[in-house]
Amino acid sequence: QSALTQPASVSASPGQSITISCTGTNSDVGKYNLVSWYQQQPGKAPKLIIYEVNMRPSGVSSRFSGSKSGSTASLTISGLQAEDEADFYCCSYAGSRTSMVFGGGTKLTVL
Amino acid sequence: QVQLQESGPGLVKPSETLSLTCTVSGGSIDNYYWGWIRQPPGKGLEWIGYIYYSESTNYNPSLKSRVTISLDTSKTHFSLNLNSVTAADTAVYYCTKGDSFAYFDSWGQGTLVTVSS
Repeated sequence: QSALTQPASVSASPGQSITISCTGTNSDVGKYNLVSWYQQQPGKAPKLIIYEVNMRPSGVSSRFSGSKSGSTASLTISGLQAEDEADFYCCSYAGSRTSMVFGGGTKLTVL
Repeated sequence: QVQLQESGPGLVKPSETLSLTCTVSGGSIDNYYWGWIRQPPGKGLEWIGYIYYSESTNYNPSLKSRVTISLDTSKTHFSLNLNSVTAADTAVYYCTKGDSFAYFDSWGQGTLVTVSS
């Protein structure tokens, strides 16, 4: 069982927007602004798309955005494209003893 | 742009030690966090730990008693040792780089390690 809770799957049509939630506790997501998101396409290594809740690395599309409210972080993808189809994982710092925890992953299907 | 490449045996026997190396190219090893993350087949990601260029380390508490991450003195690669392995340690192992301890901005392509007799 993963430390952070994500929906197993989401789906939407091209052009639509989706939001993936990542629910933690007040010991991880709720306590630190150190949530990151990763996109993993089939057979490939994960790729960082959001760090520190809402920061985008250079080269990542502005269609990807992150936010946080309380102990729940969210990833929003706007203007869905077929190439966005992938697994998405959230990750949070959880303090010096536990350090880093991941969500179980969400499979995005573009219909 | 830093590039990472994992190498090591693809098959390890139960109770033995899993040893992997990550070769760093295209950049300096200084001032960054270097780590390992694994993914069992068909499952999610699990953080293993990291080493800072100053050689301080931090490990997943669930693996801490079995894990060692070290930096080569030449500072061109770093390594993962996981001892007393079982079938539950079968996974794709990724090496990673982070500007911060809190995220992983570069990844190797991953290497599958199977634990089986």
